Formats: sequence, C-alpha cells, structure tokens
Amino acid sequence: AQRVTQPEKLLSVFKGAPVELKCNYSYSGSPELFWYVQYSRQRLQLLLRHISRESIKGFTADLNKGETSFHLKKPFAQEEDSAMYYCALSTNAGNMLTFGGGTRLMVKP
Amino acid sequence: GAGVSQSPSNKVTEKGKDVELRCDPISGHTALYWYRQRLGQGLEFLIYFQGNSAPDKSGLPSDRFSAERTGESVSTLTIQRTQQEDSAVYLCASSLFPEQFFGPGTRLTVL
Repeated sequence: AQRVTQPEKLLSVFKGAPVELKCNYSYSGSPELFWYVQYSRQRLQLLLRHISRESIKGFTADLNKGETSFHLKKPFAQEEDSAMYYCALSTNAGNMLTFGGGTRLMVKP
Repeated sequence: GAGVSQSPSNKVTEKGKDVELRCDPISGHTALYWYRQRLGQGLEFLIYFQGNSAPDKSGLPSDRFSAERTGESVSTLTIQRTQQEDSAVYLCASSLFPEQFFGPGTRLTVL
C-alpha cells in the first residue's frame, strides 16, 4: 500500500528566508504527487501537482523518483505563506488521495 | 458557481447515536470522495463514488460507516452507533480529474 510521510509537523522561518517542506512517499508504481494547502479559516485547496511542473505563488516541487521525494520549495518565504501544507499521492486506481500528516508553516515577520 | 458544500458544519452527538453528514458536490463533477481528519493528523480516505460504478469502500473503518450518492449529486455519509474515536472533521471532495475540490468539512464530536 502507498504511504506519504511529512517528517516535520511544524516549520518556522523568517520572512525572506528559503523554505523547504519535505515529503517522502512509498509506492511501487508511478504515482502522481500533489501539494495541497489550507490557509487559516479556508478550505483545503490544490497548490500544485508534479505533472504540471509549474510554479504557483513562487512554490515549486520536483518529483525525485530515486529518492521517492516531492519536496516543496520557495526561495523567499512571505508571511501570507503561513498555512498547513499537505503532500498527497494518487495512483491510477480511482484517483483517491493518500495524504501525509501535514506540515504547519509559520513565516515570522 | 458554488463550490462543494457540506452540512452541518458542526455536529455534537452522544455515544451510540447515529449521525448523517451531507455533501453537495460541484455540479457536473462525476467523482465524489469522503475523507476523515482526526485531530493533528492527515486526511484518511473513506469512500469514493465515480458515476454509476460501484463505490470504492476500501477506506471505511468499520461496518458502522456507510455512504450513498444519488446519481451525480448529493452524497450522505452515515455513522451508526457513534463512538468517541469517530470524532473528527469529515471532508467531502468532488472532482472532474485530476484536481479534487474540497468542502469546508463537518466537525463531528462524539461525547
């Protein structure tokens, strides 16, 4: 069975500092990886997916199949980036998502 | 248009009672998912509906949990004989693939 691990429950950085939220996965096939974000008092929403290879709000994530990782990065964190971030994996079967435990990012002024 | 809606937003019940949670997906979305999020944890998949196919119930934790969907519209998640460990936020999502759009969730508290 597939599994997603986010080793950090809380990540605190200063505004303008680089940020990296770690995500590792285990799955024997070819997964599709996502990052979802939940801002305070808002619903969970898609931030980016590895297939689209785009940068959203300055965030990027590269799928590393050798290390089975999909870390989320941003070179200069902003206060409005403070939120809960969830890494998620989808197999071809049914498209249901397997989520990691989430990382709370706090960007201090 | 409106996003995914869920009702009630909060539900407090006593142990042993049955509860019913409702999800209204985005119109036209063929896929609908239920997830559960316990305090401090990630989301756990519960059940998945796709069109007229048989639902994928592989994530339901026990036979006290069941869900129905009427065509490609509203879905209800029923928990019978609730237990304290059922306390969680129950999230519904709908999808046209690949992105899932989430509702605001129902916070269930079992006393």
